Amino acid sequence: AQKITQTQPGMFVQEKEAVTLDCTYDTSDQSYGLFWYKQPSSGEMIFLIYQGSYDEQNATEGRYSLNFQKARKSANLVISASQLGDSAMYFCAMREWETSGSRLTFGEGTQLTVNP
Amino acid sequence: DTGVSQNPRHKITKRGQNVTFRCDPISEHNRLYWYRQTLGQGPEFLTYFQNEAQLEKSRLLSDRFSAERPKGSFSTLEIQRTEQGDSAMYLCASSPPRQGPTYEQYFGPGTRLTVT
Repeated sequence: AQKITQTQPGMFVQEKEAVTLDCTYDTSDQSYGLFWYKQPSSGEMIFLIYQGSYDEQNATEGRYSLNFQKARKSANLVISASQLGDSAMYFCAMREWETSGSRLTFGEGTQLTVNP
Repeated sequence: DTGVSQNPRHKITKRGQNVTFRCDPISEHNRLYWYRQTLGQGPEFLTYFQNEAQLEKSRLLSDRFSAERPKGSFSTLEIQRTEQGDSAMYLCASSPPRQGPTYEQYFGPGTRLTVT
C-alpha cells in the first residue's frame, strides 16, 4: 500500500485565489511527522511546512497552512492568495519515527499551475 | 551559509561506466541523506549518515551503489557499472542535530544523471 497518496497529478488556480492540495497517508506509528515540499523547475526541494502527529493545532507558515485531519489520515496543504511564483511541483512527505527513523517517504506530487 | 551543494549538476555517461557524485552539506549539519528521483515521481530514500556512520540503507541501494562520508562532512555516492535505469536526479539533503520540532531536511539542487 502507498504510504503517501497525492491524488491530484495537476491543479490549476487563478492568481490571488486559494488552492488546496490533497495528501493522505498510511502509517501504524503513533509518532510521525508530515511535511510539504515545493520543487520548482530548477529542481531544488524547498521545505514549506511541518505537522507533528501530536500537534493539536494545524500548522501555518505565512500563506501556507496544513489542514490536518488525523482520524482521516489526511494532511492537505492550503495555499492562500496564490502567486505566479507558486507554480511548481508540490510533494507531501512523512517521517515515521518508530518504523523508519530519519528517512522521508514522499508522494508522487501535484503539479500546480497558477494562471494570471 | 550557501546551503547544500552538489557536484556535478549534470552527468552524462555511457552504460557500464562508473560515476561519482559529491554532496557538501550545510556546515554543522551532522545528518546527511541521499535520495533518488525519477521523472514524474517523488524522491525515494537511498541512505542516511549521522556524522561518518551510515545508519540506514534502502533496498534500492544495490551492490553497485556505495556511499561514504569519511570525515563526517562531505559525502560521495558512487554508482558502478551504470545502467540505463540509473538515469535519475540524485538529491542530497542535510539536517542539524535535533533542534526544534520540525527536523526538516534541507535539500541540495541535485545531480541529474543520464545513462546512454
